[in-house]
Amino acid sequence: ETGVTQSPTHLIKTRGQQVTLRCSSQSGHNTVSWYQQALGQGPQFIFQYYREEENGRGNFPPRFSGLQFPNYSSELNVNALELDDSALYLCASSGGSKLDTQYFGPGTRLTVL
Amino acid sequence: AQSVTQLDSQVPVFEEAPVELRCNYSSSVSVYLFWYVQYPNQGLQLLLKYLSGSTLVKGINGFEAEFNKSQTSFHLRKPSVHISDTAEYFCAVIPNNAGNMLTFGGGTRLMVKP
Repeated sequence: ETGVTQSPTHLIKTRGQQVTLRCSSQSGHNTVSWYQQALGQGPQFIFQYYREEENGRGNFPPRFSGLQFPNYSSELNVNALELDDSALYLCASSGGSKLDTQYFGPGTRLTVL
Repeated sequence: AQSVTQLDSQVPVFEEAPVELRCNYSSSVSVYLFWYVQYPNQGLQLLLKYLSGSTLVKGINGFEAEFNKSQTSFHLRKPSVHISDTAEYFCAVIPNNAGNMLTFGGGTRLMVKP
């Protein structure tokens, strides 16, 4: 059984560019959640996908968008990058039950210059 | 809305000493409570969770936490720490009337010294 994987591990972009981050969920999981962790802070919920539909969204602007594919892998897209978007982006996969444990990937470190 | 406060940003402790990491939450509804650990350059790993039942919860690596509803707290404890416990610890909640989106505290860095 493979765990949650994320790609790339590191990424450097400049202001105004667009970025796509990828997440492969753990086998058997149909729910993927994305979190942003700024340096020295706790993770903040961005949004969640359940069976290819957005299932909840945190306090992030529309330039943060996502997709979930039929194999339950997921993408996080960020348009018009800002310096404050520099952070570790974590995805977590879980089963469809509300209290299923969320298993986190190692994250993608995004630096915006 | 709910919020989580971790009262200590850093906790230094000597190896084999006991430790307590404090967590308080605020919510208008009942919550489920979690502790996660993050080792350097890694994602988060679940240590333990409280869903219902006994207020004393035991987790992995010898950690335990106690839910105190009147104090709205969920402090994490370990009777004897090891160097390998050095990491960032996050307390988190899920409200019982919403989905399973975690709200995290700001984290506590546990630094175990030899």
